[in-house]
Amino acid sequence: EVQLVESGGGLVQPGRSMKLSCAASGFTFSDYYMAWVRQAPKKGLEWVASISYEGSSTYYGDSVKGRFTISRDNAKSTLYLQMNSLRSEDTATYYCARRQVQRYFDYWGQGVMVTVSS
Amino acid sequence: DVQMTQSPSNLAASPGESVSINCKASKSISKYLAWYQQKPGKANKLLIYSGSTLQSGTPSRFSGSGSGTDFTLTIRNLEPEDFGLYYCQQHNEYPDTFGAGTKLELK
Repeated sequence: EVQLVESGGGLVQPGRSMKLSCAASGFTFSDYYMAWVRQAPKKGLEWVASISYEGSSTYYGDSVKGRFTISRDNAKSTLYLQMNSLRSEDTATYYCARRQVQRYFDYWGQGVMVTVSS
Repeated sequence: DVQMTQSPSNLAASPGESVSINCKASKSISKYLAWYQQKPGKANKLLIYSGSTLQSGTPSRFSGSGSGTDFTLTIRNLEPEDFGLYYCQQHNEYPDTFGAGTKLELK
């Protein structure tokens, strides 16, 4: 059974950093692109970033480019999202998702809440 | 970026009825549209991809149609577990973009 479990969220002050993790199980992690998608309170889904199989290629949405870094550790079957220079508008639930070759997301974690506030 | 316009934003129906949710892309995305279901306390669920291909495990009462810019998700014979939020996503080009969502509520 595919499982994606996010961790590392919480309350953080504007301008500070936070690192999210996503532990994957039930599939060969290195065989898939992975992604982060977020959802601000009462809002829709927004793609944040994606990463290739070995981590050599990364892609970011404009709203996080230059501030967020997606990475992965295939030996640990874990996906990461390093978030720097956080803003109030980054407040959201962050979902880890497995991405298929055709770029849809076939499995999602339950999400982790990040609140950016002083 | 490809803008995805979803309609209606809210929809009320009764079990046993059929409903349709529409998604319009700001430019052609060929057949590359996915539909997701979101329910509180559960992981988001992929229902359909590439416009009309049912993900494994998706009940046959769900169907997807369309190509180019206009797509439709149809749910026939609604079951109680079908009520929730539905999102479309274009998976034709970066950045991946989603519709604003449709809330399907019990009438």
